[in-house]
Amino acid sequence: GQQLNQSPQSMFIQEGEDVSMNCTSSSIFNTWLWYKQDPGEGPVLLIALYKAGELTSNGRLTAQFGITRKDSFLNISASIPSDVGIYFCAGLAGANSKLTFGKGITLSVRP
Amino acid sequence: DAGVIQSPRHEVTEMGQEVTLRCKPISGHDYLFWYRQTMMRGLELLIYFNNNVPIDDSGMPEDRFSAKMPNASFSTLKIQPSEPRDSAVYFCASRSVGAHYGYTFGSGTRLTVV
Repeated sequence: GQQLNQSPQSMFIQEGEDVSMNCTSSSIFNTWLWYKQDPGEGPVLLIALYKAGELTSNGRLTAQFGITRKDSFLNISASIPSDVGIYFCAGLAGANSKLTFGKGITLSVRP
Repeated sequence: DAGVIQSPRHEVTEMGQEVTLRCKPISGHDYLFWYRQTMMRGLELLIYFNNNVPIDDSGMPEDRFSAKMPNASFSTLKIQPSEPRDSAVYFCASRSVGAHYGYTFGSGTRLTVV
């Protein structure tokens, strides 16, 4: 089946640093989504991408839909302590298909 | 909008007991999904409904798991009998076919089977 690969499993950065996360797949997706999960809560949608090559920002977050449609990245600039959490990428192959989720990257930010 | 509402938030039960998890999707959303999250396996899709009809239950681990959606505003996930390996966080999510196709998740039910 379709799989999304996120690595590493955990990332540790210093407050104020930028961080970039990749998500790759062997399959093509038509929509890429990035979610963040805070401890004890469900994932919350951060950014949605609909076209190959699209670059979208949401505050300090920037995400891009890869040209090959098989990858995406998320960049967080000037990290702050509340950026800690699990970041999931997700892909949708078609309008009526299921979302496929990566296993997530746990981000820790040292003050 | 109150979002996707799940209950209970936490459930502790003994092995062999029946467990029922509840979900109220966002009004107007026509898709409802049940996920299970564990450290080892991440987010796993168990089953999803479209307009109250189960579309794909291939992720349901075994016959001990069942899900229903009697109307557009309510769904249940039942485990009978429960086992310790069912311990996980169970999420409900809903979606409407809109501009971004994103799912809205509830806050989850943390299930512990002892």
